[in-house]
Amino acid sequence: NAGVTQTPKFQVLKTGQSMTLQCAQDMNHEYMSWYRQDPGMGLRLIHYSVGAGITDQGEVPNGYNVSRSTTEDFPLRLLSAAPSQTSVYFCASSDRSSTNEKLFFGSGTQLSVL
Amino acid sequence: GNSVTQMEGPVTLSEEAFLTINCTYTATGYPSLFWYVQYPGEGLQLLLKATKADDKGSNKGFEATYRKETTSFHLEKGSVQVSDSAVYFCALGSSGGSYIPTFGRGTSLIVHP
Repeated sequence: NAGVTQTPKFQVLKTGQSMTLQCAQDMNHEYMSWYRQDPGMGLRLIHYSVGAGITDQGEVPNGYNVSRSTTEDFPLRLLSAAPSQTSVYFCASSDRSSTNEKLFFGSGTQLSVL
Repeated sequence: GNSVTQMEGPVTLSEEAFLTINCTYTATGYPSLFWYVQYPGEGLQLLLKATKADDKGSNKGFEATYRKETTSFHLEKGSVQVSDSAVYFCALGSSGGSYIPTFGRGTSLIVHP
């Protein structure tokens, strides 16, 4: 069982470039989310989705777009990368229908913007 | 709103020492409480959880008790190993139907042989 799969693991961008971080889960989870992790800041929620076709903003959404066309996939788009977006990005999913609320995390994408 | 406060790290211990990582919270209602662990180069994974007051979560020798009266969920282990070196995150489950958990900032643990 693959769980939550993120690609790529590492990426270097130049300021102004665009890219998409991919996230896929094979557990049929309704809830998916994107976090960024920065030293001293812990995890900060960027965007989240409670089901296909439904997305909402988290704590730090500026500079990022998301869409949720299928239950499995939740890509994160950087339209014009900035050095402030240098970070480690994690995708996570959970099954809203249970009372467990356990989050499953991907292994992360380390992004550097020069 | 909901919030989680964790002790700042890094926490540096010798192997076999006793570990406590403090976590306190503020919340509306009575959400579940979690500890997640992040090993170097990996994503977070659930370590243990408690769903109601006085519940004790335990896993891999770690324990934490949901204390409503002190709004705390401190993580403890009686004898740490080098392999326990990681970052530990306390988290508050969602409440009020938001389905968004609240994470603490994480505490780095370094265990020396």
